[in-house]
Amino acid sequence: QVQLVQSGGGVVQPGRSLRLACTVSEVAFGTDEIHWVRQAPGRGLEWVAVRSFDGSRQSYGDSVRGRFTISGDSSSNTMYLQMSGLRTDDTAVFYCARGRGADSFNVWGRGTLVTVSS
Amino acid sequence: SYVLTQPPSLSVAPGQTARITCGGNNIGTRSVHWYQQQPGQAPVVVIYYDTARPSGISERFSGSNSENTATLTISRAEAGDEGDYFCQVWDTNTDYWIFGGGTKLTVL
Repeated sequence: QVQLVQSGGGVVQPGRSLRLACTVSEVAFGTDEIHWVRQAPGRGLEWVAVRSFDGSRQSYGDSVRGRFTISGDSSSNTMYLQMSGLRTDDTAVFYCARGRGADSFNVWGRGTLVTVSS
Repeated sequence: SYVLTQPPSLSVAPGQTARITCGGNNIGTRSVHWYQQQPGQAPVVVIYYDTARPSGISERFSGSNSENTATLTISRAEAGDEGDYFCQVWDTNTDYWIFGGGTKLTVL
C-alpha cells in the first residue's frame, strides 16, 4: 500500500516563504505524479499544482502560478512545494495526492496546515 | 474556465437513496471522479471514471454521467455515509484539475 507522508507547514507571516514536503513510499517513475490540493477552513477543495516524478509534466493553478514552485528529489521520492509571497488567503490545509495522467487521486497524504497571519 | 456546480447540502433518511449531482457544460464528454471527505480526514475516491468503484468501496456507491450532469448515487444510505462529497474533472485544454464546490450529505 503506497503511503504519502507530509511534512512542513506551520504559521508564517504574510509575504514570507514556506516549503512543504511529500515523501512517497513507492514511486513508479514515468507514470506517477504528485498533486497538491488545498482546503481553506470550512471551504472546498482547490487544486494547486502537479509535477511528475520524471519532471516531464508540471502545471499550476491560476491562484498560485508565479508564487509557488514544485520540485522533486527522485533520490528520496520526495516532492516539494515551495510557497513564496504568502497571503492570508493562502491559509489552508495542504494535501499531497498521487495521480497518473487522467486517473483519480487515489492516494492522499494526511494534510498539513499552513496559517498565514501577522 | 470550466465550472462544476454541486448543491451545497443534501439530507436523506437512513435507508433511502441519495443522489448528488455535479453540473457542468457537456460534462458527459469528460471523465468524472468523486471523493468522499469525512471531518478531519483526507478525501477518498469513491467513484472514478464516471462509474468505476475502487476496491473497498461499498457497492451501494454508483455513478453516472450524461450530457450536463454527473451523478453520484448512494443507495440505502447509512449514518456512516455522512460527509462532504466532491466531483472532479481534468480540463485537458488548460491542464487544470477542477473540483466542484462540494455537497454536505446528512443522513437523518
